[in-house]
Amino acid sequence: GAVVSQHPSRVICKSGTSVKIECRSLDFQATTMFWYRQFPKQSLMLMATSNEGSKATYEQGVEKDKFLINHASLTLSTLTVTSAHPEDSSFYICSASPSGLNYGYTFGSGTRLTVV
Amino acid sequence: AQSVTQLGSHVSVSEGALVLLRCNYSSSVPPYLFWYVQYPNQGLQLLLKYTSAATLVKGINGFEAEFKKSETSFHLTKPSAHMSDAAEYFCAVSEMDSSYKLIFGSGTRLLVRP
Repeated sequence: GAVVSQHPSRVICKSGTSVKIECRSLDFQATTMFWYRQFPKQSLMLMATSNEGSKATYEQGVEKDKFLINHASLTLSTLTVTSAHPEDSSFYICSASPSGLNYGYTFGSGTRLTVV
Repeated sequence: AQSVTQLGSHVSVSEGALVLLRCNYSSSVPPYLFWYVQYPNQGLQLLLKYTSAATLVKGINGFEAEFKKSETSFHLTKPSAHMSDAAEYFCAVSEMDSSYKLIFGSGTRLLVRP
């Protein structure tokens, strides 16, 4: 149980275009999902907390107008990278938990974004 | 804010040898602690978690970790390394506010020599 699906796994886009990444909880409902960014050989950096039915909470230094998060249902959160630039190229990972901290968070398989 | 420190960005062991990956946390109250493993170009898989129950926690794939409050440590161990254990390992601590955010350490790459 507690499966999180992330799509697409890889995407290449042209500079200036927008890319949407989906994160779905397949067998549980998630009122909260988290979006992380990971640079090569580095740790995960929390970008934002996605809350179902309300605005996302962004970490300091993360541009909310560039990284749009929508959590319209209890099983789906999306991250849209708007007007992408090469420096946005990274590995993006989402996570969610079916019942809070005691369970531990389940992570999606990640999305490798390359902006050319 | 919570934080975790992972000592050693790279750890190399021989197949069959003991694996020890170190993690220290900073918290004024006993936190929730996690160990995750990441294989190349994949998400993270939960190995084990400490949530204020037993201090010795057993996880998947033969890994275990011991919560030591006096040392503010949560080191990950495995008695005998296998080639398939080669991966990146992350220790994480939870924020104990309503956000329940996970704060990750910098990671330790485990190399297993034949």
